[in-house]
Amino acid sequence: GQNIDQPTEMTATEGAIVQINCTYQTSGFNGLFWYQQHAGEAPTFLSYNVLDGLEEKGRFSSFLSRSKGYSYLLLKELQMKDSASYLCAVKDGAGKSTFGDGTTLTVKP
Amino acid sequence: DAGVIQSPRHEVTEMGQEVTLRCKPISGHNSLFWYRQTMMRGLELLIYFNNNVPIDDSGMPEDRFSAKMPNASFSTLKIQPSEPRDSAVYFCASSSNRASQETQYFGPGTRLLVL
Repeated sequence: GQNIDQPTEMTATEGAIVQINCTYQTSGFNGLFWYQQHAGEAPTFLSYNVLDGLEEKGRFSSFLSRSKGYSYLLLKELQMKDSASYLCAVKDGAGKSTFGDGTTLTVKP
Repeated sequence: DAGVIQSPRHEVTEMGQEVTLRCKPISGHNSLFWYRQTMMRGLELLIYFNNNVPIDDSGMPEDRFSAKMPNASFSTLKIQPSEPRDSAVYFCASSSNRASQETQYFGPGTRLLVL
């Protein structure tokens, strides 16, 4: 089975940088995803990591260390619209993805 | 592309009634997933199909739940009989395992309330 841990809540200030961590234990590993979910809406894809290292996409970056079972999502130049839940999901060798419970980020002015 | 389409968007029913949720995946995608999301349990995978074949249904809570995918463009999730604890948002997602990363694209969800 798979176990995914991420903080429940985080608060940050508009314009700042925030890092959301995710640790996982999985039987087989075939990639890690980050999704953003605004209240009342569906999750939307943010990033994908399958190799160690940093993937940068605009204000958002995601890092993976497979040996440590660890990933983080880095959000720069925070905007009010970034207030949302951020879900870490790990895909196992059989193609099944398991989602973490999500981190609710609140951006304050 | 219209994205993943789900219907109905909202459903209110009484305990004991049958509920059928519908999903049309993105054209060309060959994997389809049904999820349930609640505040208490987060996002849970119920079942997923690959090329219309159920691959893993270990997340289906009990025999009251069943899912079918008769063709590549349509799937249903049925709850019979429904119970108040089934109240949740049910998401359908699709992906293509021909793509390198298999990003899942989610539908808007069906908000189910069982009274």
